[in-house]
Amino acid sequence: GAGVSQSPRYKVAKRGQDVALRCDPISGHVSLFWYQQALGQGPEFLTYFQNEAQLDKSGLPSDRFFAERPEGSVSTLKIQRTQQEDSAVYLCASSLVRTAYEQYFGPGTRLTVT
Amino acid sequence: SQQGEEDPQALSIQEGENATMNCSYKTSINNLQWYRQNSGRGLVHLILIRSNEREKHSGRLRVTLDTSKKSSSLLITASRAADTASYFCASLTQGGSEKLVFGKGTKLTVNP
Repeated sequence: GAGVSQSPRYKVAKRGQDVALRCDPISGHVSLFWYQQALGQGPEFLTYFQNEAQLDKSGLPSDRFFAERPEGSVSTLKIQRTQQEDSAVYLCASSLVRTAYEQYFGPGTRLTVT
Repeated sequence: SQQGEEDPQALSIQEGENATMNCSYKTSINNLQWYRQNSGRGLVHLILIRSNEREKHSGRLRVTLDTSKKSSSLLITASRAADTASYFCASLTQGGSEKLVFGKGTKLTVNP
C-alpha cells in the first residue's frame, strides 16, 4: 500500500516568507509526528497528533511554528516569517496506534531559507 | 539537545564483515528502536527492543540492550554494499511521552 507522502519535496523560501508543508500519513494511522532534521544530525521531535488532537507540541522551536491535523488524517506544518536557522529537512511519520510501535516515515521536505 | 549519542560517528568496512554500532541514551525507556536512512529515502524502521528484553534478532541484525548502562548496540552480520546508510537509535521515554528521541547516527559505508 501507499506509504507516508510529503509535499513539496523541496522548498526554497526567502527569509521572512511563510511556508506550508504537507503530510499524508498511511491511511488508518492514528498517530502522526513531525520531526526536524538538520544536516548531519538525527531527527528532533517537533509535535505529535493522535487523530486530530495535538497532544504534544513541546518540540516546536518557536511560536512561528504551527501544526494542524483538522480531520485526523492530512497534516500541515506551517512556518511563519522563515529564518535561515529553519533550513532543515522536515520529516513526517505515522504509526498505527501509539508510538510504542514502529513509526513509518515519509521522504521529508527539504526547506532552504535564503 | 536531547539527543543520545552513537558511536562511532562513521564506520567503513568491507563486504562480508560485521558492523557494530553503539548507542547511549539519557532517561529510562519504554523501548528502543533502530532506524536506517539512505540518501534520498526516508527513515526505515529496522528493529524494536523493549526495556525488559536484553537481546533481539531479525535476519542479519542483532540488537542488545543494557538498561543499567543506558546503552544499546546494533550488529549487522555479513554486511553488503546495500547496507551503506546512516543508522539511528531512537528511544521512547518511559512515562507516557509519545516522542522518540533520536541519536546523532552512525554513517556506515560497506565497500564492495
